[in-house]
Amino acid sequence: SAVISQKPSRDICQRGTSLTIQCQVDSQVTMMFWYRQQPGQSLTLIATANQGSEATYESGFVIDKFPISRPNLTFSTLTVSNMSPEDSSIYLCSVTGMGSYEQYFGPGTRLTVT
Amino acid sequence: QKEVEQDPGPLSVPEGAIVSLNCTYSNSAFQYFMWYRQYSRKGPELLMYTYSSGNKEDGRFTAQVDKSSKYISLFIRDSQPSDSATYLCAMRRMNYGGSQGNLIFGKGTKLSVKP
Repeated sequence: SAVISQKPSRDICQRGTSLTIQCQVDSQVTMMFWYRQQPGQSLTLIATANQGSEATYESGFVIDKFPISRPNLTFSTLTVSNMSPEDSSIYLCSVTGMGSYEQYFGPGTRLTVT
Repeated sequence: QKEVEQDPGPLSVPEGAIVSLNCTYSNSAFQYFMWYRQYSRKGPELLMYTYSSGNKEDGRFTAQVDKSSKYISLFIRDSQPSDSATYLCAMRRMNYGGSQGNLIFGKGTKLSVKP
């Protein structure tokens, strides 16, 4: 399985600011995803990070709010822009390995917006 | 109707008990089924992965898929306090990539195993 790290592990941010979350994998992976996990809710897919092209966003999520980069096969970033308290959540990076359908998750970034 | 339904619990059992965790789903196109374990303040950890119907065993864990009933289960034998966590079921349609390949999750069942 891939080893996934995320930075920062947690942060407290003020309303109106932006935060960039980094996801680093120890090996090349096929797919990279960003999820949100809110208390009492299912994990929700925000977008699929595509290498070298624009991310594919799920319904309800837009690029202006959650810009994503994926410059190579092992690294991606998610930015939460113009934050409001409703953005307080855990953000998770997830990957599938080369030639595998198994999907793994990073440790998450716990974001609190005040 | 939600695509995936999972009883959130909490479920409390004594150490050594057999635990049964379940999910139901509505979309017959789901082919790949996963169970994740999530400890407090940690990311989900992949426990079991199965394709289509049948059983899969790994140590104390057994995953079952009944596609005719759209019902999946995870059994934990000889449960331990260290099994105390939230268990998430997840499933995916057959094709991978794009909207067809996204994992759909249940809300998770919180399990507590008492010594």
